[in-house]
Amino acid sequence: GESVGLHLPTLSVQEGDNSIINCAYSNSASDYFIWYKQESGKGPQFIIDIRSNMDKRQGQRVTVLLNKTVKHLSLQIAATQPGDSAVYFCALFGGGSYIPTFGRGTSLIVHP
Amino acid sequence: NAGVTQTPKFQVLKTGQSMTLQCAQDMNHEYMSWYRQDPGMGLRLIHYSVGAGITDQGEVPNGYNVSRSTTEDFPLRLLSAAPSQTSVYFCASSFVSTGKGEQFFGPGTRLTVL
Repeated sequence: GESVGLHLPTLSVQEGDNSIINCAYSNSASDYFIWYKQESGKGPQFIIDIRSNMDKRQGQRVTVLLNKTVKHLSLQIAATQPGDSAVYFCALFGGGSYIPTFGRGTSLIVHP
Repeated sequence: NAGVTQTPKFQVLKTGQSMTLQCAQDMNHEYMSWYRQDPGMGLRLIHYSVGAGITDQGEVPNGYNVSRSTTEDFPLRLLSAAPSQTSVYFCASSFVSTGKGEQFFGPGTRLTVL
């Protein structure tokens, strides 16, 4: 079955550093990928998405990279700020499926 | 716009009781969904709907019922609550009818079943 994993459960960085959060997946037919941010006590918030026909997509201070060869997804946050402290998790859809698979999440802690 | 709203925010039930978790959105989204979030696990899809009158099962549908009589509302019913249904429940909606697009999540309902 589908599996989505995260390499690090907690990531601590200094304010101003760049952060990289990783996600591995197993289903090579996955065609749509999303990164969410979840602050304590709140619902997940969409950050950025990417489709399988792309390798890279940029937003405001965030970049998502997709390596289909090794089935790896990453979220890069530039100039990390204390307000970026949250749990980040990836989600993906298998080709033809309406049911997403979510990762367990990485807790990002930004120290001022 | 209020976005996605959920009620109640907190609920405690006894085993065997029934209840309905309410979800509403004012963005005219066709796609709506219910997830549960448990510690140490990723979000799991319970049920989803691609439009009024259409619902389908997600990854963990057992013990839950849904209906979609209007575009705005998507209630989740627990017919006979069990301790295994203790969780945080999130409702979400998307303007992409397949759900493969930005999903807007509600603030969640924290449910405890004793």
